[in-house]
Amino acid sequence: DAGVTQSPTHLIKTRGQHVTLRCSPISGHKSVSWYQQVLGQGPQFIFQYYEKEERGRGNFPDRFSARQFPNYSSELNVNALLLGDSALYLCASSQQGDYGYTFGSGTRLTVV
Amino acid sequence: AQRVTQPEKLLSVFKGAPVELKCNYSYSGSPELFWYVQYSRQRLQLLLRHISRESIKGFTADLNKGETSFHLKKPFAQEEDSAMYYCALRGLGGGADGLTFGKGTHLIIQP
Repeated sequence: DAGVTQSPTHLIKTRGQHVTLRCSPISGHKSVSWYQQVLGQGPQFIFQYYEKEERGRGNFPDRFSARQFPNYSSELNVNALLLGDSALYLCASSQQGDYGYTFGSGTRLTVV
Repeated sequence: AQRVTQPEKLLSVFKGAPVELKCNYSYSGSPELFWYVQYSRQRLQLLLRHISRESIKGFTADLNKGETSFHLKKPFAQEEDSAMYYCALRGLGGGADGLTFGKGTHLIIQP
């Protein structure tokens, strides 16, 4: 089992651009959550999806959106990037959106 | 609003000494508490959760609802325990299912 895989591992974007981050959950896991981790802070909850429906949303602006596909993989989209969006974006999967979260290694986004 | 506080950014102890990583939380309902650990160059992984009442790698944590705490303890620290530790909370029974994390404590075990 490859675990939770995220792509890309690193990327650099310019302010105002748009970015799409991808996550493949562990086989059999139907729930995917997204977190933002700014340097020196703990991860902050962005979204949770279960069976392709949004189950929860953290305190992030509408520039952040996500979706889950029939194969349970997920995309996180961020529009109109700001310098403050620079962070490590973590994806976590679980079987039913309950406690058993397994995290990926993350995507390091740098906005310049 | 739910909040998790880890008052120590850095904790350094000697090998063989007891370890206690503090975690306090604020939540109006019934919380579920977790400890996650991140070893150097590895991904975040679940260490333990209060519901299971397990001891993982010699670590234990007891939920104290009166003091709203979930401190992580180990009687004898080992060098391989050096890592970043995060306390996290999830509300039971409704609302967003996301975890609320503390800022983390960097534990260093000195030889």
